[in-house]
Order: sequence, then structure tokens, then C-alpha cells
Amino acid sequence: TQLLEQSPQFLSIQEGENLTVYCNSSSVFSSLQWYRQEPGEGPVLLVTVVTGGEVKKLKRLTFQFGDARKDSSLHITAAQPGDTGLYLCAGVNYGGSQGNLIFGKGTKLSVKP
Amino acid sequence: DTGVSQDPRHKITKRGQNVTFRCDPISEHNRLYWYRQTLGQGPEFLTYFQNEAQLEKSRLLSDRFSAERPKGSFSTLEIQRTEQGDSAMYLCASSLEEGYVAFFGQGTRLTVV
Repeated sequence: TQLLEQSPQFLSIQEGENLTVYCNSSSVFSSLQWYRQEPGEGPVLLVTVVTGGEVKKLKRLTFQFGDARKDSSLHITAAQPGDTGLYLCAGVNYGGSQGNLIFGKGTKLSVKP
Repeated sequence: DTGVSQDPRHKITKRGQNVTFRCDPISEHNRLYWYRQTLGQGPEFLTYFQNEAQLEKSRLLSDRFSAERPKGSFSTLEIQRTEQGDSAMYLCASSLEEGYVAFFGQGTRLTVV
């Protein structure tokens, strides 16, 4: 069974701090997607990483895909209250189960002003 | 196209009643997924369709649950004889093909009283 472990599960920080959340697996994924979800809404896609070692930046957010395509990280610089939400990673693996899209349980981030 | 659309956004029902949710995917998207999500947790896979064919169902999808996608476009998820444990957010997502990015709707929040 393919699993994606996200850590930490919860994170509460002050505005202006930096943070990193992780998405790890023992399985190789062909690509990995990061989503952010606010309460009562559906997940919104932030980025897709495809190549091992790939780094993508989205303003203050930096996403990295591990060289072996088994793990990924999301780093937020100078967090703001608007970054608050549930961050989800989802791995794509052709020929796998669950429609080839495996979700982690998420990291719940709270940024206090 | 305005993205994945789900209807209704909220549904309150009495225990034992049947409910039906609708999902309209992004047009030309062949894959359609259904997930269930409880508060603060990641999405749990329920089932997915490739065009009109339902290719996989989770063990979470008991006999009371049924999903259809009759013409390969919109999909419905029906829950019969609802129980309080069915209270959750039901999310629909669609993607162009296997391995492509999945986009989510805003979800249907079900409350069983």
C-alpha cells in the first residue's frame, strides 16, 4: 500500500516566521502535487513537481521534490496569517490504486498575527 | 469553464434519509474522483471514474453508497439510509487523464442529524 506521510501534523507559528512541512513516502511517485485548503472549501492546487530534485518557487513558497521522487517539502518564508490552512500533498503513481492519486493526511498551519 | 462544480454546497438531513450529490467536472476531463473528508483530515478516497466506467471503489464505500457517471460527464453520489457517521465534506475532483493534475470542487458539506 502506498502511503504519504506528512509532518508535522499541526504547526502554530507567529507572523514573520519561516517554516517547512514535509511529505515522505517509501514509494516513488511520477509527480507530486501540493494543495492548500481553507475551512469549508475544496483544496486549491498550489504546484506540481515532476522531476527529481526540482525546485519551484511561488512567491514566498518554495517546493522541492526529492532526488529519488519519494519525498517533497514546502518551505514558507515570512509566514502571514493568510497562509493559514491545511496543506496537502498528493502523489501520482501510474498503475497504482486509488486512481493513482495518493493523499497525505495534511499539515494544519496556523499563523498568528 | 469555471472549474469543478458541486451541488449542493451544504446539506442537512435526518438520519435514515437518502441524499444525492452532484459533481460537474471540468469539461473534457476524463477522470472524476470522489473523496470524503472529516474536519482537519486529508481527503479519503471513495471511488473514481474513467469516462463512464467506475474503475475502483474504496472499502469505505459501503453498500449504502453508490456513484454513477452515466454519460461520462457529470457524476452523482448517493447515500442511502444516512447515518450520523456519514457527516463529512464530500469532495469531487477531475483530471484530464491518468497522471494529470486533479482539480477540486468546493465540496458538499453533509450534516446528518
